[in-house]
Amino acid sequence: GESVGLHLPTLSVQEGDNSIINCAYSNSASDYFIWYKQESGKGPQFIIDIRSNMDKRQGQRVTVLLNKTVKHLSLQIAATQPGDSAVYFCAETLDTGRRALTFGSGTRLQVQP
Amino acid sequence: EAQVTQNPRYLITVTGKKLTVTCSQNMNHEYMSWYRQDPGLGLRQIYYSMNVEVTDKGDVPEGYKVSRKEKRNFPLILESPSPNQTSLYFCASSLKAQGDTGELFFGEGSRLTVL
Repeated sequence: GESVGLHLPTLSVQEGDNSIINCAYSNSASDYFIWYKQESGKGPQFIIDIRSNMDKRQGQRVTVLLNKTVKHLSLQIAATQPGDSAVYFCAETLDTGRRALTFGSGTRLQVQP
Repeated sequence: EAQVTQNPRYLITVTGKKLTVTCSQNMNHEYMSWYRQDPGLGLRQIYYSMNVEVTDKGDVPEGYKVSRKEKRNFPLILESPSPNQTSLYFCASSLKAQGDTGELFFGEGSRLTVL
């Protein structure tokens, strides 16, 4: 897949609108999923996680939805702000000690003022 | 301030010249890990450590070494760097290796160029 800075899918939204970022994960055995935000020149930053025994989890302004049937994750950001502009990655893992995350290709979110 | 600190942030070196990228966390985390980020390949795990003196290979360990002599430090060693190790490197840590929280805290990254 692609990574930061290389022809990433881009979602452009107006400030104040809701954003939905989608991710298809690869391993049906994965049991733990995380969304990360990566701003330019910085490391990935944890946003929210969800375990496979749940289908929805809410945080502050963010909601993650998990559909195991079709191996799909989505991140919903309410009232998107300019500070939300970044690349967003979903990551999956088996919840073992190795904690090796398999990262998705990333989506660039651009918030228009 | 809770953080993962990497040094150097930027480095240009030449093939074969040994280098070490340091990583330190001040959160008393048990688990630490190194990733590299490359265009088209995403983030891939190099090595990880479940606790002091416990390290193991990730997905792309070739050409790298690590050590975990103290809980807070997890240096990444390139004994004989080659151009294919040109990449953006991230150190990450989490409170526990297993259990309730899987939240990984990432450092700011170290951009390495090997000529």
